[in-house]
Amino acid sequence: SQTIHQWPATLVQPVGSPLSLECTVEGTSNPNLYWYRQAAGRGLQLLFYSVGIGQISSEVPQNLSASRPQDRQFILSSKKLLLSDSGFYLCAWSVGGQGFQPQHFGDGTRLSIL
Amino acid sequence: EDQVTQSPEALRLQEGESSSLNCSYTVSGLRGLFWYRQDPGKGPEFLFTLYSAGEEKEKERLKATLTKKESFLHITAPKPEDSATYLCAVQAPPNSNSGYALNFGKGTSLLVTP
Repeated sequence: SQTIHQWPATLVQPVGSPLSLECTVEGTSNPNLYWYRQAAGRGLQLLFYSVGIGQISSEVPQNLSASRPQDRQFILSSKKLLLSDSGFYLCAWSVGGQGFQPQHFGDGTRLSIL
Repeated sequence: EDQVTQSPEALRLQEGESSSLNCSYTVSGLRGLFWYRQDPGKGPEFLFTLYSAGEEKEKERLKATLTKKESFLHITAPKPEDSATYLCAVQAPPNSNSGYALNFGKGTSLLVTP
């Protein structure tokens, strides 16, 4: 069966520091991968989407970036964090090359910026 | 612009008291409507996918239905362990930026008391 792992579970970072969040998927090949942010009262916002290694689409402009160095690895990064980057970050995967498929989420990273 | 609206925002039920959650959507070319359950501090857990008006899906005490404008999640004789936030999402035709991304509602927070 397929599993998705995200780490760390919680993170407290000072303003201006760098960020790296990692997500890996097991049990499937060539998945579509997604990064979402969930803010209180605002629902889930799509940040990045990837259909393959090195292929990244950005949904909203911001100081975050994403990379996909391997088929089942998705990384969310920032060079300098802002206070507004606080939130709950979720990675998800779906069957590659197909629409109509549900997305399956990891347990997220709670990021607090001080 | 595609929109997903969930109501009510919060719902408190007595154990055994059946009710329904609503998800209204406006999207051109619906490709799928998804229901998720989210427990505090966790990622959303996939429940159902509905593809066409008139379709119904069931799982234990939950039943999801779909019309051309809305979906309902019916909860029959709920138990305290059904307490969670229930999220609805729609998938529109893919575009160059967001591919098969989901557009989420803000959720209904359900509390079932003994």
